[in-house]
Amino acid sequence: AQRVTQPEKLLSVFKGAPVELKCNYSYSGSPELFWYVQYSRQRLQLLLRHISRESIKGFTADLNKGETSFHLKKPFAQEEDSAMYYCALLNNAGNMLTFGGGTRLMVKP
Amino acid sequence: DAMVIQNPRYQVTQFGKPVTLSCSQTLNHNVMYWYQQKSSQAPKLLFHYYDKDFNNEADTPDNFQSRRPNTSFCFLDIRSPGLGDAAMYLCATSITTLLNTEAFFGQGTRLTVV
Repeated sequence: AQRVTQPEKLLSVFKGAPVELKCNYSYSGSPELFWYVQYSRQRLQLLLRHISRESIKGFTADLNKGETSFHLKKPFAQEEDSAMYYCALLNNAGNMLTFGGGTRLMVKP
Repeated sequence: DAMVIQNPRYQVTQFGKPVTLSCSQTLNHNVMYWYQQKSSQAPKLLFHYYDKDFNNEADTPDNFQSRRPNTSFCFLDIRSPGLGDAAMYLCATSITTLLNTEAFFGQGTRLTVV
């Protein structure tokens, strides 16, 4: 069974502060992990995937297989980063995306 | 230029009265997914179509059915909605398996059962 845990439902930071949204996973296969974001009144959309090793909107995430984590980080939060963030794990067959419960990030001015 | 369109955005149905939610896509993607998201919970996959092949998740209740008459459209039918079925229902598409691409989501239909 695959499972994704996001321990924080809400994370509130001030503009310019560093941000880390935690994600832990459980999967017996080789994991492929993603971060999806949902801005207010918008659809859920892909932010980044671990295999791309890219930085999107200043966010990065590193897969740590030893700790089974895929935390999302940004050194300096912006107000426009306020959104709901979902960590997701894809099974090896590529047809099942399991989401974590989501973390609401609020960036205060 | 919405690519995955869900109608309606809000749906109210009576307890036990069949209801259909619809999803259409302009992306010509092979795969369409239906997710259920209850309040403050993770989106949960109900089933997906790979072309015409239907794939049901093991724990999806029989009360939930789906139809995909063509590439562009996919429907979620709830045969006898209960109060516990009130949720946001998300449709998503991908060109193939998600191994090499991403899922594109609609804005969702929020279902209320009265």
